Amino acid sequence: ILNVEQSPQSLHVQEGDSTNFTCSFPSSNFYALHWYRWETAKSPEALFVMTLNGDEKKKGRISATLNTKEGYSYLYIKGSQPEDSATYLCAFNQAGTALIFGKGTTLSVSS
Amino acid sequence: DGGITQSPKYLFRKEGQNVTLSCEQNLNHDAMYWYRQDPGQGLRLIYYSQIVNDFQKGDIAEGYSVSREKKESFPLTVTSAQKNPTAFYLCASSIPVNTGELFFGEGSRLTVL
Repeated sequence: ILNVEQSPQSLHVQEGDSTNFTCSFPSSNFYALHWYRWETAKSPEALFVMTLNGDEKKKGRISATLNTKEGYSYLYIKGSQPEDSATYLCAFNQAGTALIFGKGTTLSVSS
Repeated sequence: DGGITQSPKYLFRKEGQNVTLSCEQNLNHDAMYWYRQDPGQGLRLIYYSQIVNDFQKGDIAEGYSVSREKKESFPLTVTSAQKNPTAFYLCASSIPVNTGELFFGEGSRLTVL
């Protein structure tokens, strides 16, 4: 059974801190890696979809990197704000398969 | 507005009853999915459909059934055979299949009394 691991499970930071999360996935037959943000009482929303080894994507203060050979992706948040508080989900799939999600990292940012 | 609509938002069911969760999308997406979330768990795939009149089982399909008679609709029936149906259910759609980002509904919370 394929597994996606995310760490840490949760963390609490102060406003202005920078932080990062890790997503680990099987490196064989890699197809795509997704990051989603899930705020309380809302729907999960896509942040990034990455398909190439070495991909780096950025959206405002949030960025992500991908290493398909070793099977990991990092999500970085620079200068965390209270509105960044959410659960961040990582999902991976191999060719021809549906996405497999990790359990998520829950971020809480205090002002 | 384009999006995915799930209903009902909250649903209570007695043991032994079947219930159907609705999922409608107006994004013109080919692929639709049903996920289940339990506390401390990631989203787990129940069923997905890549095209009308076709669907595939996910990792936890037992006790569930789906249909895909129209492109915009993908209802999920939780049958009495599902041993632990109390959970949060999310519907999603995407284009293209497997590589496109997922667009999610707001979810349905099912509680079995």
